[in-house]
Amino acid sequence: GQNIDQPTEMTATEGAIVQINCTYQTSGFNGLFWYQQHAGEAPTFLSYNVLDGLEEKGRFSSFLSRSKGYSYLLLKELQMKDSASYLCAPPQGANNLFFGTGTRLTVIP
Amino acid sequence: SQTIHQWPATLVQPVGSPLSLECTVEGTSNPNLYWYRQAAGRGLQLLFYSVGIGQISSEVPQNLSASRPQDRQFILSSKKLLLSDSGFYLCAWSVESTGELFFGEGSRLTVL
Repeated sequence: GQNIDQPTEMTATEGAIVQINCTYQTSGFNGLFWYQQHAGEAPTFLSYNVLDGLEEKGRFSSFLSRSKGYSYLLLKELQMKDSASYLCAPPQGANNLFFGTGTRLTVIP
Repeated sequence: SQTIHQWPATLVQPVGSPLSLECTVEGTSNPNLYWYRQAAGRGLQLLFYSVGIGQISSEVPQNLSASRPQDRQFILSSKKLLLSDSGFYLCAWSVESTGELFFGEGSRLTVL
């Protein structure tokens, strides 16, 4: 596997900012994906970082450091609908994505 | 546009019974196809992937098998289900250039 490490659970307040960290064992393949998965549903794509640095997309931003095997997902202006699991997924080989167990985020009023 | 469908959405099967989950992709050619399983409260586990017709790679030893009889059809099967096969099964296809995965709606299997 990829030894993907994410916090199991996080709780944050509506309107706040939360950062979800992910560390992983580098495999020589570039890039890292973040997916969002609401309970009982399939994961949906959030972001893809192929190079080091910060990628911003609306309220969500994702950061990658390939040499350190480190990424984070930043969620701003949290909304109740952001309550979900967030999955960090570094590539493993040319055809495979491996997923961590995910971070279950609960947004409270 | 590309779409992916899998079925059935939900099924309850007795231990020892066979299983067949089907997945089809439309709007793309020669996609990479995947079967993942997610046990309750657990992460996504890659079961099989396929880069072409008749080409199947297995990631974990198990009593499940996969087949790709057509370019855009991927089937997950078992001859005899175990209790531990219960879970949420997801079919996915990927974009060759980036590896981004697009998931089907999922099939929830309960083995009793």
